[in-house]
Amino acid sequence: AQKVTQAQTEISVVEKEDVTLDCVYETRDTTYYLFWYKQPPSGELVFLIRRNSFDEQNEISGRYSWNFQKSTSSFNFTITASQVVDSAVYFCALMNNNAGNMLTFGGGTRLMVKP
Amino acid sequence: DSGVTQTPKHLITATGQRVTLRCSPRSGDLSVYWYQQSLDQGLQFLIQYYNGEERAKGNILERFSAQQFPDLHSELNLSSLELGDSALYFCASSKTVYNEQFFGPGTRLTVL
Repeated sequence: AQKVTQAQTEISVVEKEDVTLDCVYETRDTTYYLFWYKQPPSGELVFLIRRNSFDEQNEISGRYSWNFQKSTSSFNFTITASQVVDSAVYFCALMNNNAGNMLTFGGGTRLMVKP
Repeated sequence: DSGVTQTPKHLITATGQRVTLRCSPRSGDLSVYWYQQSLDQGLQFLIQYYNGEERAKGNILERFSAQQFPDLHSELNLSSLELGDSALYFCASSKTVYNEQFFGPGTRLTVL
């Protein structure tokens, strides 16, 4: 069975602070994909990043960066110099090759960035 | 805008009724997925179609069914509705089954 855990249910920071959202996953497969999605107050789910299990290189996109560590089964997401517009619920998700390609989501982390 | 469209945006109905949610995938995407988001269950996968064929089923109730049509749009049918079916229903699409899934804006279903 596969599982995604986002232990932080809610984080509150002040604008310009850096913040890291944790994601820990469980799977028995050697080939899998990890994702992050953002759900702003408007409700839609916005795709942020996809990584496959063979690519452990960290990725940076503007103020966003992702740290993938297979040794600890973690795929953490860092926002640098947070802004009020970053306030949203962030979901980490896992897809296996042989599980129907469905996404298994974590419970989400609600990030509140205060001015 | 992800390119995935869902109608209607909101739906209010009564227990015991039947509703149909519609989804049009992004241009060129062959795979369509349905997810349910509720406060108690979180985001849960319901069902997947690829090029018209059912490919995978998740925690989808027997009262729920779906199909994907030749033009690749999909419909999710929910029948004998119960209060607990109130949720946000998302459709997502992807080019192939291994690509990232892009989500529509969702249909918020309220069962009274």
